[in-house]
Order: sequence, then structure tokens, then C-alpha cells
Amino acid sequence: AQSVTQLGSHVSVSEGALVLLRCNYSSSVPPYLFWYVQYPNQGLQLLLKYTTGATLVKGINGFEAEFKKSETSFHLTKPSAHMSDAAEYFCAVTLSGGSNYKLTFGKGTLLTVNP
Amino acid sequence: GAGVSQTPSNKVTEKGKYVELRCDPISGHTALYWYRQSLGQGPEFLIYFQGTGAADDSGLPNDRFFAVRPEGSVSTLKIQRTERGDSAVYLCASSLRRENTDTQYFGPGTRLTVL
Repeated sequence: AQSVTQLGSHVSVSEGALVLLRCNYSSSVPPYLFWYVQYPNQGLQLLLKYTTGATLVKGINGFEAEFKKSETSFHLTKPSAHMSDAAEYFCAVTLSGGSNYKLTFGKGTLLTVNP
Repeated sequence: GAGVSQTPSNKVTEKGKYVELRCDPISGHTALYWYRQSLGQGPEFLIYFQGTGAADDSGLPNDRFFAVRPEGSVSTLKIQRTERGDSAVYLCASSLRRENTDTQYFGPGTRLTVL
């Protein structure tokens, strides 16, 4: 079985500051890892994903995440926050085997951006 | 193109009643998923369809929950004898399912409130 822990249910940053959202996972087999963003009254939108290959993954809207196997982490970063980044962010994992369609999500981190 | 749509966007019902939630996936997507998101939690997997058949229904919480996808497109999630604990946002997603790591595209969800 797999699980995801997102440290910090609420993160607040100033506009232009670094965004760091933390995600740790547990998995019995090599995982596939995802970050989704959810804006109010909208569906979850994929920001980026890691499957195999390069451990630093770049996504949309300037976000990136690095898979660190030794730390079982997949933290999401953005160098400079914008007001439009305010949303809820979810880290998710699936197994790389047969049940790789079954996303397991963390509880989410609400990002607020202060002017 | 059109994304995943879900109807209704909000549903209020009384304890013990029957409800149906509808999902229209992206045209051409063979895979369809239902998730449930309770307040303060991340989405939890309920069921996965490949075409018309339920390939994995291991996430359905009990036999009051049932889902169908008779023509391999639209899906309906059915909940019998609703309970207050069923209150949540029900999310639908679809994907092409042409490779192991394809992206799931989510709809905006149906917010179910059981009084």
C-alpha cells in the first residue's frame, strides 16, 4: 500500500517569495508521483508528474518538483509566487505496477499569497 | 475541447434517500474514475472503469454505492439509503489509458449534502 503526507495544511507566502510545498510518500514499489492544483469550484489540474528518468520535473506555471528516493520526498517549488498561485495543492502517488491508475492523495496544502 | 463535466454541481438530499450523480468524460477517453473528497481530506479512489466494465471497485465503501457506465462513455454513481457520512464532493476523472502513466483529467465535482 502507498500513502502520502503533506506537511503543512496551510502555507502563506508573500508575492515574489519562494514557494515550497512539502510531500513525503511511502510505497512498497517504485512510485509514480504527481502534484495537482485545485482552484475554487474547479477540477483538479495536473501540475507535473514523475514516472521515470530525470528526477527534477518541470511543470506548468513555473512549478517544479524533485524526486528524492533517499528522502522519500517530492517537494513542489516555485521561485517567485504570484497572486494567481493561490489555490489548494495535492500531492499524489500511484504504484508503478498493475494498479497504477489508483491515485492516493495527501490531505492537501492551501497556499495563500499575500500582496 | 470540452473537459470532464459533472451534474449536478450541488445536491442536497435527506437521509435515507437515493441519489444519482452523473459524469460526462472527455470524448474518446476509455478510462473513467470516481473519487470522493471529504472535508479537509484529499480525494479517495472509489472505482475505475475501462470501457463499460468496472475494472476495480475496491474503493466503494459499502454495497449502498454502485456505479455504471453502460455505453462506455457517461457514468452514473448511485447511492442508496444515503447517510450523513456520505456528504462529500464526488469527483470524476477520465483518461485515454493508452500508457501506464497517462494523465487523469478531473471534473469540477458534485457536492453532496445529506441532511
